[in-house]
Amino acid sequence: GAGVSQSPSNKVTEKGKDVELRCDPISGHTALYWYRQSLGQGLEFLIYFQGNSAPDKSGLPSDRFSAERTGGSVSTLTIQRTQQEDSAVYLCASSLEDTQYFGPGTRLTVL
Amino acid sequence: AQTVTQSQPEMSVQEAETVTLSCTYDTSESDYYLFWYKQPPSRQMILVIRQEAYKQQNATENRFSVNFQKAAKSFSLKISDSQLGDAAMYFCASETNSGYALNFGKGTSLLVTP
Repeated sequence: GAGVSQSPSNKVTEKGKDVELRCDPISGHTALYWYRQSLGQGLEFLIYFQGNSAPDKSGLPSDRFSAERTGGSVSTLTIQRTQQEDSAVYLCASSLEDTQYFGPGTRLTVL
Repeated sequence: AQTVTQSQPEMSVQEAETVTLSCTYDTSESDYYLFWYKQPPSRQMILVIRQEAYKQQNATENRFSVNFQKAAKSFSLKISDSQLGDAAMYFCASETNSGYALNFGKGTSLLVTP
């Protein structure tokens, strides 16, 4: 079946603009995760959704970052007032049980 | 803080040979999952192999196997009969105490030479 998809593949924005990154998980997967992969910090956990439970937002680096998951499926990660340090690859993953399956990521470049 | 350490930033192996990538991790949990992911230049993180900590038997998936030493908190990946398509960044990951988020190592870049 189809894997995790993410859009856009690449996004270039200007400092101070807002961006939205989208993730479509594998059909039937109840859990969804966002990670950030940057040169300096490696892979960092950002946020976790599980079914209808309140998300675990403990990894979000600042209040400029937010995420939602509609209908238990598609998720959108929003970064407001982007900064140059937000430049990174944003990876989404989904799981049914213990194994996370990743999408191809969105490369965000903030000029 | 829980950490995952991959001490080899780069490794090189000849085609058809065997290579072992090292990983150590830190956790206070008794049962947890460990993973190796492969990330080629396409950026897609691909699951290579997983190990459940309570299982004594080392996991294997075709040419990929692990040497899991729970007491030493060591989880190395062995790639046998290396192929050119194995060239990629390899990440070791462990479940955090949350039971869902993963901690990743910094990665090992594997080069496969003909």
